[in-house]
Amino acid sequence: DAKTTQPPSMDCAEGRAANLPCNHSTISGNEYVYWYRQIHSQGPQYIIHGLKNNETNEMASLIITEDRKSSTLILPHATLRDTAVYYCIVRGRGGSNYKLTFGKGTLLTVNP
Amino acid sequence: DAGITQSPRYKITETGRQVTLMCHQTWSHSYMFWYRQDLGHGLRLIYYSAAADITDKGEVPDGYVVSRSKTENFPLTLESATRSQTSVYFCASNPLGDQPQHFGDGTRLSIL
Repeated sequence: DAKTTQPPSMDCAEGRAANLPCNHSTISGNEYVYWYRQIHSQGPQYIIHGLKNNETNEMASLIITEDRKSSTLILPHATLRDTAVYYCIVRGRGGSNYKLTFGKGTLLTVNP
Repeated sequence: DAGITQSPRYKITETGRQVTLMCHQTWSHSYMFWYRQDLGHGLRLIYYSAAADITDKGEVPDGYVVSRSKTENFPLTLESATRSQTSVYFCASNPLGDQPQHFGDGTRLSIL
């Protein structure tokens, strides 16, 4: 699986958009970009995933660059409960590629 | 309610003892996974299973045994617990295809 690079920490004001970047310059054509988050002491929570196109769901938006070498997770109106470690993961398809390889992620702190 | 549940949530045991962590999912997902999370290492894959009676090693399998006689259950056994196995253990599952992996709430295991 391709390696990802994320900033170790970011701050965001409550109510503002949080934009979390991720670099995955070695991603291959059949690999997806997944985002998970982990709130303290809880299991990782799935947020969103995408292959080529931008994606949006009730939690967030995912913007993938045209060359697919980087992406941005957008939380449109961050709340205090969004404080968590956010993981950007590149995941292949099929067989053992279903496993997730977690890096260190980005600690997002939402401030009042 | 549908979902993935782990038991026990907390466990304290002594070195040399056998301990089994349980994982149960109600989605009939084909794939199930066991991860451990330690400070400084993030989440690491221990074992995974593609279907009932099919299991395979992950990144850190030594000292662990798994079985999967039924699709919905994937127990993890430490046959002779060691202090280095003190950790938080997460179980996860996903169906075939590119659907996201969903995690349980974890088991905090302390080995004295």
